[in-house]
Amino acid sequence: SQTIHQWPATLVQPVGSPLSLECTVEGTSNPNLYWYRQAAGRGLQLLFYSVGIGQISSEVPQNLSASRPQDRQFILSSKKLLLSDSGFYLCAWAAGHNSNQPQHFGDGTRLSIL
Amino acid sequence: DAKTTQPTSMDCAEGRAANLPCNHSTISGNEYVYWYRQIHSQGPQYIIHGLKNNETNEMASLIITEDRKSSTLILPHATLRDTAVYYCIVVRGGSNYKLTFGKGTLLTVNP
Repeated sequence: SQTIHQWPATLVQPVGSPLSLECTVEGTSNPNLYWYRQAAGRGLQLLFYSVGIGQISSEVPQNLSASRPQDRQFILSSKKLLLSDSGFYLCAWAAGHNSNQPQHFGDGTRLSIL
Repeated sequence: DAKTTQPTSMDCAEGRAANLPCNHSTISGNEYVYWYRQIHSQGPQYIIHGLKNNETNEMASLIITEDRKSSTLILPHATLRDTAVYYCIVVRGGSNYKLTFGKGTLLTVNP
């Protein structure tokens, strides 16, 4: 069966520090991969998605970037964190490129910026 | 994507069926109805989805009305671990779709 792993589970970082969150998927090949942020009281926001290695689409301009160095690895990064980057970051995968394929989420990383 | 309307909260007795309603009166013909749930501090969990026909899996059943303007998620035998926020989402057909969660329904299963 397929599994998705995110780490770390929680992270506290100072303003201006770099960020790297990692997500890996097991048990499937060529998944669609997604990064979402869930801010308190603001619902779920899609940040990036990827349909293949090295292919990244950004949904909103921001202080973050994403990379997909391997088929089942998706990384969310920042060079300098802002206070507004605090939130619950979720990685998800889907088996196909269409809306009949459900997205499956990891357990998320709770990021606090001080 | 069509907007959905769900009750803010519901209660259910343990062992009974939980029926969670969702209105999506502006749904289009190629839009899917998805249900997710989220237990506090965890990532959302996919439950079930459908287009026109009723669907059933090991977790739940999804009943979609004939006009597709509303649906009901049924948890046949609710347990305390089913206490969560349940999100009904309408997703437009096509590739690279994104999920947008509303406020959902807080289902509390009581012993």
